[in-house]
Amino acid sequence: RKEVEQDPGPFNVPEGATVAFNCTYSNSASQSFFWYRQDCRKEPKLLMSVYSSGNEDGRFTAQLNRASQYISLLIRDSKLSDSATYLCVARYQGGKLIFGQGTELSVKP
Amino acid sequence: EPEVTQTPSHQVTQMGQEVILRCVPISNHLYFYWYRQILGQKVEFLVSFYNNEISEKSEIFDDQFSVERPDGSNFTLKIRSTKLEDSAMYFCASSEVSSGRLEQYFGPGTRLTVT
Repeated sequence: RKEVEQDPGPFNVPEGATVAFNCTYSNSASQSFFWYRQDCRKEPKLLMSVYSSGNEDGRFTAQLNRASQYISLLIRDSKLSDSATYLCVARYQGGKLIFGQGTELSVKP
Repeated sequence: EPEVTQTPSHQVTQMGQEVILRCVPISNHLYFYWYRQILGQKVEFLVSFYNNEISEKSEIFDDQFSVERPDGSNFTLKIRSTKLEDSAMYFCASSEVSSGRLEQYFGPGTRLTVT
């Protein structure tokens, strides 16, 4: 089983839509979680951290369910500029990041 | 805003040659990492580095790989004898950690092409 698993998509949505990404992780020792976004052939850019209580940053909301080992990212009012690959990431003690395969989002006008 | 920088942006080398990839982490960060991403695949952890020594390394990081912090600002990844399968994007990352900030920030990457 993959350590961090995501639906690869692609998700094709119109501007203004709400879209949700899901992610599961297999290692309960994972300490903390993040969502990164990656544009084609560029570096992963930190979108937001996900802590036990979940958190919101503008149009983005991340949730963590440790019991189900499940993480989600909700994007409201999608913009064209949100088109990217969204990476679900687990951090282990010591700092090692384990990345999911990524979910591709394409926002169309 | 402080950034991680990497040089070169693209390196082409012949199989069997040595390459050194360079990174300048964010200045007040204490933890440094290398990751790689083969085209079309996920980002993979290679090594973490703290207090002038390797903290953890993956199975990928075999004897052909080494890391060094030669001075107060640079962090390097050396591949001694490159193989075709070493062709990938190599990302350097750094994090602060000491203040509880666990986030890692990535540099723009070096695209390594081994021919």
